[in-house]
Amino acid sequence: NAGVTQTPKFQVLKTGQSMTLQCAQDMNHEYMSWYRQDPGMGLRLIHYSVGAGITDQGEVPNGYNVSRSTTEDFPLRLLSAAPSQTSVYFCASRTRDRGAEAFFGQGTRLTVV
Amino acid sequence: AQTVTQSQPEMSVQEAETVTLSCTYDTSESDYYLFWYKQPPSRQMILVIRQEAYKQQNATENRFSVNFQKAAKSFSLKISDSQLGDAAMYFCAYRSASSGGTSYGKLTFGQGTILTVHP
Repeated sequence: NAGVTQTPKFQVLKTGQSMTLQCAQDMNHEYMSWYRQDPGMGLRLIHYSVGAGITDQGEVPNGYNVSRSTTEDFPLRLLSAAPSQTSVYFCASRTRDRGAEAFFGQGTRLTVV
Repeated sequence: AQTVTQSQPEMSVQEAETVTLSCTYDTSESDYYLFWYKQPPSRQMILVIRQEAYKQQNATENRFSVNFQKAAKSFSLKISDSQLGDAAMYFCAYRSASSGGTSYGKLTFGQGTILTVHP
């Protein structure tokens, strides 16, 4: 059981480049989320999905796009990378149950130069 | 909007001793969950313990227990018999369980506390 898989684990981008961070889960979880982790700020929610075809913005959505065409996959797109998007990105998934545990991927360390 | 505050950026403890990590939160809701997550140097986020706001009894998981004070909006984590493997960043997190609200189902994290365990 692979759980939540994020690719790549590390990435360096130049300012203005675009890229997609991949997230896949094999647990048939309805809910999936993207967070970014920055020093002293904890994890902040970027985008959120409660099922295929349904997405919602989180706390820091600007500069990022998401779509959810399948239950398993929830890719995060950086449209035009900026140095302020240098961060560690986490994907998480869980069932819709009230107290369900969120399972996290291993994270992607992104550096924008 | 809900906020979660961890006022201790760093804490340290001797092996086998007890340490308490603090967390306060702000919400106008009555139906929610609170979590403590551990992040070791591997970066993996690991659930340590969870507490439902409607349950008055404090949650316990082996050496980990919480002191949940709903009126004071406080949710501290106590680690007993600390081990070297407990060294990590610890995050407190809040999640609304009130369906229909704009924050339903979304985790809000505190800033994190780095725990060092000395042998």
